[in-house]
Parts: sequence; C-alpha cells; structure tokens
Amino acid sequence: DAKTTQPNSMESNEEEPVHLPCNHSTISGTDYIHWYRQLPSQGPEYVIHGLTSNVNNRMASLAIAEDRKSSTLILHRATLRDAAVYYCSPGGSYIPTFGRGTSLIVHP
Amino acid sequence: NAGVMQNPRHLVRRRGQEARLRCSPMKGHSHVYWYRQLPEEGLKFMVYLQKENIIDESGMPKERFSAEFPKEGPSILRIQQVVRGDSAAYFCASSPGQHSGANVLTFGAGSRLTVL
Repeated sequence: DAKTTQPNSMESNEEEPVHLPCNHSTISGTDYIHWYRQLPSQGPEYVIHGLTSNVNNRMASLAIAEDRKSSTLILHRATLRDAAVYYCSPGGSYIPTFGRGTSLIVHP
Repeated sequence: NAGVMQNPRHLVRRRGQEARLRCSPMKGHSHVYWYRQLPEEGLKFMVYLQKENIIDESGMPKERFSAEFPKEGPSILRIQQVVRGDSAAYFCASSPGQHSGANVLTFGAGSRLTVL
C-alpha cells in the first residue's frame, strides 16, 4: 500500500470550510483513496472514497490531484461534531492500513 | 439492520488471564478484520479472516494471540496470558469482500481491554 503523510493536527472554526490534505506519492494506478474518521471513544467510520475524479457525498467532498499523488478531504461547513481524527487510506490491497491521521479541532 | 457488533465493550483482566473478544459482522458481509489501537496511536492491522479461513495474520503477534471466524457464530479474537501491554482498544471491521480496490470497511464500536 502507498505510504501516506498527513498533518498531525488542524484547527478550524465552526461553520468554516476545512481542507484536510494527504500525500500518497507512491500510490499505484489502481489504488482507491479512502477516508475514514474516528470520533472520540468510537470506532472509525467511512467518509468517502475515490479513484480519479472528485467525489461528493452527504458528509464531504474528495478532491484528487491530477497525478493522484495527493488528495484533500473537504468539509464544507465544519461543526463541533466533526471534531475527530481523519485517516487517509489509499491502497488496492484487501487490507486497508491507517497512519496516525489528522486530529481536527473545531472551535465554536 | 444492525452494524458490526462487538462485545464486550469493556473487559478487565488480570495479568495471565485470557481475553476473548467477539465480533459479529454486518449482515451480508463475509470478511472480517481485526485492528488494535494503543492509546494515542493509530490503528494497526492484526488479522483478516473469511468464514472458516484466516487469509492474512501478518499483523498478529506470533504468541498468545489467535483469531477465528467459524461457519456459524461471531469472529473471536483470543488473547492468552494477557500482559499489561495488551491493554488497548480492539476494533473489528467487516466488508462485503469486493476486491476491486474500493474495499469499504464498516467498523464496530470496539472492545477496550484493560489488563491490571
């Protein structure tokens, strides 16, 4: 699986957009890019995934660079409930792996 | 339509005892994964199972740890002779098993093991 680099933490104010970056420069051509998040004291939950094109769902948007070596998870309007650790998980194998993720702090 | 069910949610054991953690995958999912999360750390893969088969156990310690996913019943992660370093949150995840690359996992709420 591709190695990932994410900032340890990011901060945002409530109601503002948040852009969470992930570098995955060793990604292969067939690897999907998944994002999960883990709220405090809970199990991880799926957020979004994509291959080449940008993707939108009710939770977030995923912007994938043209060379696919990086991606950005976009929360359009952060809420306090979005405070969590966000994991970027690119890979084509059947065993998703997770780095340390980005801890998102949302200020009221 | 229950999600991934894990029990117990919290388990306390003394050093040397055994811990058994159970996981029932989502309905229709035949693939189960176990991950361990130490305090303030990320998720570490342990083992991947399908019904009656261990597909990949490369992340599981060679001693004291075992996992199974029988034909009937939940998947079980078993830790024998627990030590304090085994204290962690253990998460189970399941998937339908589509290996096209978009292998989306659904996680349980986790079992938190404390070894005294």
